[in-house]
Amino acid sequence: GAGVSQTPSNKVTEKGKYVELRCDPISGHTALYWYRQSLGQGPEFLIYFQGTGAADDSGLPNDRFFAVRPEGSVSTLKIQRTERGDSAVYLCASSSGTGWNTGELFFGEGSRLTVL
Amino acid sequence: DQQVKQNSPSLSVQEGRISILNCDYTNSMFDYFLWYKKYPAEGPTFLISISSIKDKNEDGRFTVFLNKSAKHLSLHIVPSQPGDSAVYFCAASGEYGNKLVFGAGTILRVKS
Repeated sequence: GAGVSQTPSNKVTEKGKYVELRCDPISGHTALYWYRQSLGQGPEFLIYFQGTGAADDSGLPNDRFFAVRPEGSVSTLKIQRTERGDSAVYLCASSSGTGWNTGELFFGEGSRLTVL
Repeated sequence: DQQVKQNSPSLSVQEGRISILNCDYTNSMFDYFLWYKKYPAEGPTFLISISSIKDKNEDGRFTVFLNKSAKHLSLHIVPSQPGDSAVYFCAASGEYGNKLVFGAGTILRVKS
């Protein structure tokens, strides 16, 4: 498809387990973002990639969270030792901007993570 | 520390009337503002934006107004249509459009 694709759409896991969430951005988009949306809240920034490198990871809540984008396209968000508080919808977005851009991000449908 | 606030959790409007959604921000370094619309089970989609050098931007039925001195922006939808029923997020950025800061959203219901 032409849009941002995220898998899985739903993930239920047990506390303490490891989880990977995948994002396939729009082809040609160099910028990729991960956001987290908790119930009743707006999306909260986690990390931003420009190409293969993490240009800004200041939103990652702690060292249990890590993200990679090894070839500058697909990205994986990795969460170790999951906690119930990690339950949220994880949104991926991409944009074509390098440097100044309009801020128009194209979001995927999200991966809903539930930690029991 | 909520830098972007949408104080109305929900708004109900009659079809054909004007919808006004409000947003306040606290960070004076923000210089670009956006509105996103979200339907259930979908990701947010970009609606309209405004740079801090302007006070108004219009796109069809949608107009965004920015009052920098009051650190306030609003989205006007005229006329409102039932298909406009969604969650609307206000967002702001201060540096090259990265790291958007979102408000908590306002649920708009347009009644036919």
